[in-house]
Amino acid sequence: QQQVRQSSQSLTVWEGETAILNCSYENSAFDYFPWYQQFPGEGPALLIAIRSVSDKKEDGRFTIFFNKREKNLSLHIKDSQPGDSATYFCAASARGTNAYKVIFGKGTHLHVLP
Amino acid sequence: AQTIHQWPVAEIKAVGSPLSLGCTIKGKSSPNLYWYWQATGGTLQQLFYSITVGQVESVVQLNLSASRPKDDQFILSTEKLLLSHSGFYLCAWSLGGDQAPLFGEGTRLSVL
Repeated sequence: QQQVRQSSQSLTVWEGETAILNCSYENSAFDYFPWYQQFPGEGPALLIAIRSVSDKKEDGRFTIFFNKREKNLSLHIKDSQPGDSATYFCAASARGTNAYKVIFGKGTHLHVLP
Repeated sequence: AQTIHQWPVAEIKAVGSPLSLGCTIKGKSSPNLYWYWQATGGTLQQLFYSITVGQVESVVQLNLSASRPKDDQFILSTEKLLLSHSGFYLCAWSLGGDQAPLFGEGTRLSVL
């Protein structure tokens, strides 16, 4: 079963719009949620991360909104640029020894049109 | 300066042949190390992690093995490659279990 779900396989927005990428999870023990950005042929790069004690994390144009009760979170990319076109992965891990098991979603391909 | 380096960048191997992929971390003491596999256009599947030298934990069985012979080195290997081993292999590191893994450039493996 897919423990971390990304609802959209693909998302297209126009330059300047806010892209919203959604993610949900099954395991209540998950408490740390990093997001990664990956360009073709490269390794994923850590973009921003949030812990379950927070409901929002902001870093420049990137913001995570987190809803612990609903077990979902979203990544908002404000003022999207063509250079943001990439695959975005939501990931999750729990505490303790399970902290070393980081589970990834299937990814959302974002296309930003000029 | 690049903290994590994977080698080789790419490999083309025959089914049934052996494989060894490497990963070196520079400038970090006692990092946690990870191996991930990614099919083309797919998600990242964690294969192994290691918290300390000589200790490796398997997350999923894919007829692969991993070893950590030195604090800064992580090796992925198999004696007999399968077609299903093709993909992108990524090494990653973190300094704490509660920190997100940071990935290397990856090794592209094609098994023919």
